[in-house]
Amino acid sequence: DVKVTQSSRYLVKRTGEKVFLECVQDMDHENMFWYRQDPGLGLRLIYFSYDVKMKEKGDIPEGYSVSREKKERFSLILESASTNQTSMYLCASSLYQGNTEAFFGQGTRLTVV
Amino acid sequence: QQPVQSPQAVILREGEDAVINCSSSKALYSVHWYRQKHGEAPVFLMILLKGGEQKGHDKISASFNEKKQQSSLYLTASQLSYSGTYFCGTVSGAGSYQLTFGKGTKLSVIP
Repeated sequence: DVKVTQSSRYLVKRTGEKVFLECVQDMDHENMFWYRQDPGLGLRLIYFSYDVKMKEKGDIPEGYSVSREKKERFSLILESASTNQTSMYLCASSLYQGNTEAFFGQGTRLTVV
Repeated sequence: QQPVQSPQAVILREGEDAVINCSSSKALYSVHWYRQKHGEAPVFLMILLKGGEQKGHDKISASFNEKKQQSSLYLTASQLSYSGTYFCGTVSGAGSYQLTFGKGTKLSVIP
């Protein structure tokens, strides 16, 4: 079974802190994604990556950056956390391009105080 | 840009049918459907590729009208286990990697 693992289920950080959310997949998938999920807004794409060191902005990249130094790991970085970044963050991976299913991690509930 | 899903929410009694719609303003290469139960990760249901095919998965099936950039998810003879939030995800272009989801449709099946 494909496994997508997010490093933390719950995180509490202070405003202004630099925050790292880590995601690891174990199936050699090319594509990896970061979404945030808020009530009534669905899943919104922050960034995605289709290869090591390759990244593209999604629909809401402001205030975030990403890193993909190894194929299996995709990190989401909040350079200076703000309270409006309090959310559920979901990582996903898929084998290649747009015609293969995506597998999701369990999510990280981030609270910025 | 997120695809548009309708309805936002629906309540069904066991055994009833439902249709969830998904539409996009962009030309689509593929449409994905996922279901998320409360407190869990979204789980894949099916993918429909450009070509207008219809797929089935137990009593859940879907269609894709590429001319209208629309997809519909059909749930027949609903069961309690069908409850959850359904998301459609869209990919525009055969060479694209970007998977964009809608706001979701909350489905509640009651006895």
